[in-house]
Amino acid sequence: QVQLQQSGPGLVKPSQTLSLTCAISGDSVSSNSAAWNWIRQSPSRGLEWLGRTYYRSKWHYDYAISLKSRITINPDTSKNQFSLQLNSVTPDDTAVYYCTRDTSLDDIWGQGTMVTVSS
Amino acid sequence: QSVLTQPPSASGTPGQRVTISCSGSSSNIGTHTVTWYQQLPGTAPKLLIHSNNLRPSGVPDRFSGSKSGTSASLAISGLQSEDEADYYCAAWDEGVNGRVFGGGTKLTVL
Repeated sequence: QVQLQQSGPGLVKPSQTLSLTCAISGDSVSSNSAAWNWIRQSPSRGLEWLGRTYYRSKWHYDYAISLKSRITINPDTSKNQFSLQLNSVTPDDTAVYYCTRDTSLDDIWGQGTMVTVSS
Repeated sequence: QSVLTQPPSASGTPGQRVTISCSGSSSNIGTHTVTWYQQLPGTAPKLLIHSNNLRPSGVPDRFSGSKSGTSASLAISGLQSEDEADYYCAAWDEGVNGRVFGGGTKLTVL
């Protein structure tokens, strides 16, 4: 059974970098049939897809246009996990952040991490 | 403002059939499959329907999805109190090269 376990700080100061990690069990980040996403949810923005990475003979990356200059998603094959880095955060980035895995058959979500951007 | 449009609320009585609509455009629903999620308070969204009308194992057959053109619908038959939740639609969007969501529909079981 695939499980995603998120970790990372719940409080980030404005202008700093938000960093979260998603540890994978029951699958491989290098799977040829899965994509690994970060999604966030806030009362003001609703559900917002941030980006994804996936491996199909090589690594691919897609990012939300609105965040493209600030976001990086990195797979870590040695630890079987993937991470999110969001630079220059503002209070508007306050949200619950989720990592997810999707395939043609299912869609698994991590437990969510509430991240507050505040000084 | 969400890319996909859902009614903010829906309601029904136990045993009734309720439908939730999701309206998009040619760049998302018109071209790609639709996914539906159920979110209970304080929990992560849970996959209900993928590929427009396919249920993952474990999802009751009371839940069904359909798509026509640039719109999709989620139907819940035999409504139960535990169906009270927020429901979201999602699809890939060619225009933004990313996944887009509806604003969510809060279902109340009266």
